[in-house]
Amino acid sequence: QVQLVQSGAEVKQPGASVKVSCKASGYTFSDYYVHWVRQAPGQGLEWLGWININNGGTSYAQKFRGWVTMTRDTSISTAYMELSRLTSDDTAVYYCARELRGSWLTGDFEYWGQGTLVTVSS
Amino acid sequence: QSALTQPASVSGSPGQSITISCTGASSDVGGYNYVSWYQQHPGKAPKLMIYDVINRPSGVSGRFSGSKSGNTASLTISGLQAEDEADYYCSSYTSSTTQVFGVGTRVTVL
Repeated sequence: QVQLVQSGAEVKQPGASVKVSCKASGYTFSDYYVHWVRQAPGQGLEWLGWININNGGTSYAQKFRGWVTMTRDTSISTAYMELSRLTSDDTAVYYCARELRGSWLTGDFEYWGQGTLVTVSS
Repeated sequence: QSALTQPASVSGSPGQSITISCTGASSDVGGYNYVSWYQQHPGKAPKLMIYDVINRPSGVSGRFSGSKSGNTASLTISGLQAEDEADYYCSSYTSSTTQVFGVGTRVTVL
């Protein structure tokens, strides 16, 4: 069965960077786009961007351009999201999510990781 | 890209039907049939309930249905049940090949 397993919770100081991983299993990793979504405590969902696992192409929400980087390592079926210059506003649960259909980019997130809590605090 | 507009809360009694609206623009909701809806219970990851405006993934109850008119999409829950109490988010593909979520709607079963 399809699974997305994310790395564990992180505590970071303001100004630092965090890199969250998302290991996929149960399907052909390169066939599906992976997106990243975050949710601050008590707040709604916020889309950060996507990565084309096949060719490494990316697209980021305008708000995050310049300080988010999405990459992948196809040899270990893992996608990564790195966020730099962290502030307290970046405290949130970060999710990876897989598209419903292979090779499609429509934002239909059928499978989600379990979420990774990133806490930014001095 | 601004978040899509949803009512903050909607409530209904068991067995009733409720509808949640999701308003965007011609560059997102109105321009593409790629609107999806997610249900989220506290402490859980979101669950896909509707995709491509009207389609239900396998395993999602037929009580959930979607529609769209112009720049506004809607999710209707028929025969409301206690387990439907959750937060609901719409999402749309955009002309910038990005995604945008709605602000979310809290559904309360009275």
